Amino acid sequence: EPEVTQTPSHQVTQMGQEVILRCVPISNHLYFYWYRQILGQKVEFLVSFYNNEISEKSEIFDDRFSVERPDGSNFTLKIRSTKLEDSAMYFCASKERVSTDTQYFGPGTRLTVL
Amino acid sequence: AQSVAQPEDQVNVAEGNPLTVKCTYSVSGNPYLFWYVQYPNRGLQFLLKYITGDNLVKGSYGFEAEFNKSQTSFHLKKPSALVSDSALYFCAVRDSPYNQGGKLIFGQGTELSVKP
Repeated sequence: EPEVTQTPSHQVTQMGQEVILRCVPISNHLYFYWYRQILGQKVEFLVSFYNNEISEKSEIFDDRFSVERPDGSNFTLKIRSTKLEDSAMYFCASKERVSTDTQYFGPGTRLTVL
Repeated sequence: AQSVAQPEDQVNVAEGNPLTVKCTYSVSGNPYLFWYVQYPNRGLQFLLKYITGDNLVKGSYGFEAEFNKSQTSFHLKKPSALVSDSALYFCAVRDSPYNQGGKLIFGQGTELSVKP
């Protein structure tokens, strides 16, 4: 069964550094998302991406964050100038088309900012 | 704005007993509702969804959920709990159907513990 994959599973970085989190969505899916979950808290939406552009972003997704689909398979989240409060589990999700509505999630990348 | 609430942080059930994990929602328009499960150190796995149609929705691993419009609820149920069902369960609602991106808005999660 097709799955969303994410790498790395765990990323440790120093405050102020840049990180890139990578995702490979399910191959025929058209809508892509990033969510995050701070330890012990609810899952929060960051950004949605469709047709090579951001369709919606949350307040969390400030100008330090960016997303890219550099080729036909990868979907990346870049965080510049990382802060301690960026430490969280980051989930990628994808959806086939509007009418299906079911988003499928990857296993997550745990980001630790020291 | 769309929202969901899970009133219980934790639910404890004995193996073999029925389980219910509660979710209530607040939406404008018709709700698109989902349940996901998260096992330790794993991602979110889709269990089931309600878009339209029968109020009783059947999903993966023997789970089902009942959509109740008058009570604005979408409780997750299983007739006979297994120890392996122990996990964190999230209810979610799709943001406005007029927004093509369709982000999900999650509840705070309910920890289900099934004891032998």
